[in-house]
Amino acid sequence: GAGVSQSPSNKVTEKGKDVELRCDPISGHTALYWYRQSLGQGLEFLIYFQGNSAPDKSGLPSDRFSAERTGGSVSTLTIQRTQQEDSAVYLCASSLGQANEKLFFGSGTQLSVL
Amino acid sequence: SQKIEQNSEALNIQEGKTATLTCNYTNYSPAYLQWYRQDPGRGPVFLLLIRENEKEKRKERLKVTFDTTLKQSLFHITASQPADSATYLCALGSGGYNKLIFGAGTRLAVHP
Repeated sequence: GAGVSQSPSNKVTEKGKDVELRCDPISGHTALYWYRQSLGQGLEFLIYFQGNSAPDKSGLPSDRFSAERTGGSVSTLTIQRTQQEDSAVYLCASSLGQANEKLFFGSGTQLSVL
Repeated sequence: SQKIEQNSEALNIQEGKTATLTCNYTNYSPAYLQWYRQDPGRGPVFLLLIRENEKEKRKERLKVTFDTTLKQSLFHITASQPADSATYLCALGSGGYNKLIFGAGTRLAVHP
């Protein structure tokens, strides 16, 4: 596709359930980022991938959060045993992997934990 | 800790006027600063990047300034239009990969 694609666009889950969020970056983009945006808050960095490796996962809030990337393309963010405070918009972005460059964002997944 | 402040109150202006948005930061020495536009239900869209050794950058009706002494960036939209209504985010980066630190954004409303 022409842009970064995320699925699902909306996810409602019950507290304690596991969820998987998917990101398809722009073809050829080696860098991939996950951010979280809570209402009225700035984007919070979660994890950065270069290829299939994650040299910076310092923003993951707890060990309930994990992410992987396969084939240098698709990435999945998994949240185990979801809590209400996990409710937010999860945004994925990709770039060519060079310094000082712009990020291309997807439309995000709105996660609601009831 | 690093902190970025953008005016949390919405900025309301009349069509045709110049909108000026402010981004202040503390405890950080960014190599560059980026501005993004975000519409409801959408991801941010890149607008402009300015480096620490640049004072000003322009693109069409947009102008960004970067004052590393004041630790401040100003974002201007001249001849504003209702279509410019959106939330504008500033983001700081420091070399290497783009682990950007974002502000919470300022909502701009341009009235006809």
